[in-house]
Amino acid sequence: QQPVQSPQAVILREGEDAVINCSSSKALYSVHWYRQKHGEAPVFLMILLKGGEQKGHEKISASFNEKKQQSSLYLTASQLSYSGTYFCGTEGTYKYIFGTGTRLKVLA
Amino acid sequence: SAVISQKPSRDICQRGTSLTIQCQVDSQVTMMFWYRQQPGQSLTLIATANQGSEATYESGFVIDKFPISRPNLTFSTLTVSNMSPEDSSIYLCSVARDTGYGYTFGSGTRLTVV
Repeated sequence: QQPVQSPQAVILREGEDAVINCSSSKALYSVHWYRQKHGEAPVFLMILLKGGEQKGHEKISASFNEKKQQSSLYLTASQLSYSGTYFCGTEGTYKYIFGTGTRLKVLA
Repeated sequence: SAVISQKPSRDICQRGTSLTIQCQVDSQVTMMFWYRQQPGQSLTLIATANQGSEATYESGFVIDKFPISRPNLTFSTLTVSNMSPEDSSIYLCSVARDTGYGYTFGSGTRLTVV
């Protein structure tokens, strides 16, 4: 089952914060986050492990909700370079699954 | 992390023809993954390619349409056969990162079928 991301799209001003959610029908044991700029391949940002440990990015953080069926990605003090489409990635049954995606645009 | 060279970067093809996409990795990897990304959509796994065995295809994808080769631990090809306009998409290969979590992607092949 593909994780559903929300919001589908968001526009911010430089310096503002954003939260992107990744919701699953089943508990998430780990969540990867990627950013894809237009015309480019997705780039791995970070992993959120089931115990809450995070690895990967200095300025981006993530968390689980209580039931671990939702992960939230926190982008603080956004920069122009944060623009792109964000995907969560999770280990589904026998395969890796990407979320539906969130388009984020940061304006100067 | 591994570096993947994918080619071609883009192509425009006539319907009914086939296109072979190549991915070369700068290190040996056990599994390589092929994805399709339709315009404005998420990534969908086509198949997993292991060296020395047949690729494992996901539901909705068949070997006759998307034959895959994996001759060694650093190289794989995906062929899109008997193309129709519905095959117009970005195709990406991917391998697991050296860190043990997350995946690295090739630069993608943007395919347009006319």
